[in-house]
Amino acid sequence: DVKVTQSSRYLVKRTGEKVFLECVQDMDHENMFWYRQDPGLGLRLIYFSYDVKMKEKGDIPEGYSVSREKKERFSLILESASTSQTSMYLCAAQGPQGTEAFFGQGTRLTVV
Amino acid sequence: AQSVTQLGSHVSVSEGALVLLRCNYSSSVPPYLFWYVQYPNQGLQLLLKYTTGATLVKGINGFEAEFKKSETSFHLTKPSAHMSDAAEYFCAVSDDTDKLIFGTGTRLQVFP
Repeated sequence: DVKVTQSSRYLVKRTGEKVFLECVQDMDHENMFWYRQDPGLGLRLIYFSYDVKMKEKGDIPEGYSVSREKKERFSLILESASTSQTSMYLCAAQGPQGTEAFFGQGTRLTVV
Repeated sequence: AQSVTQLGSHVSVSEGALVLLRCNYSSSVPPYLFWYVQYPNQGLQLLLKYTTGATLVKGINGFEAEFKKSETSFHLTKPSAHMSDAAEYFCAVSDDTDKLIFGTGTRLQVFP
């Protein structure tokens, strides 16, 4: 089975800090995604990447950036964390279009 | 741009009753459609998907969904609910842009 690993399950950061959320997949999948999950809002796409060094904005990219230097790793960066970015962050990896996306366990980020 | 609407943020059924979770999509091209389930404190797991071919799709745990192009719907059903089905369910759509877009989710409660 594809494994998607997010570096932390729980994270507490201070307002204004630069925050890195790391995601690694082990199945050589081209597509990788970052979502945030909030009650009543479902999963909202922040950024996705369809190849190394390639990225596209999702529906809510403001306040975030991403990095994909290697195929297996997709990092989400909060340049200056704010309390509004307190959320559950989910990473996913997907092979060819129409195939199953595999999710990590999520990182619950709290910004204080 | 594609989008997903899930009608009903909460659905409650009795054990043994029919489960019906609604999903409508918007896509300018023939879509790929997915249903995912999320159990408490876990990541998302694929229930079933529609890509091409047969419009009635069977998934895990006795769930199935029917793709109806004329109604732009992909509703999820299960003939007889079980207590273990209590979870949050997400419908998702993907088209030719490689983006994977989710709905806001439906929380299913099953009463004894």
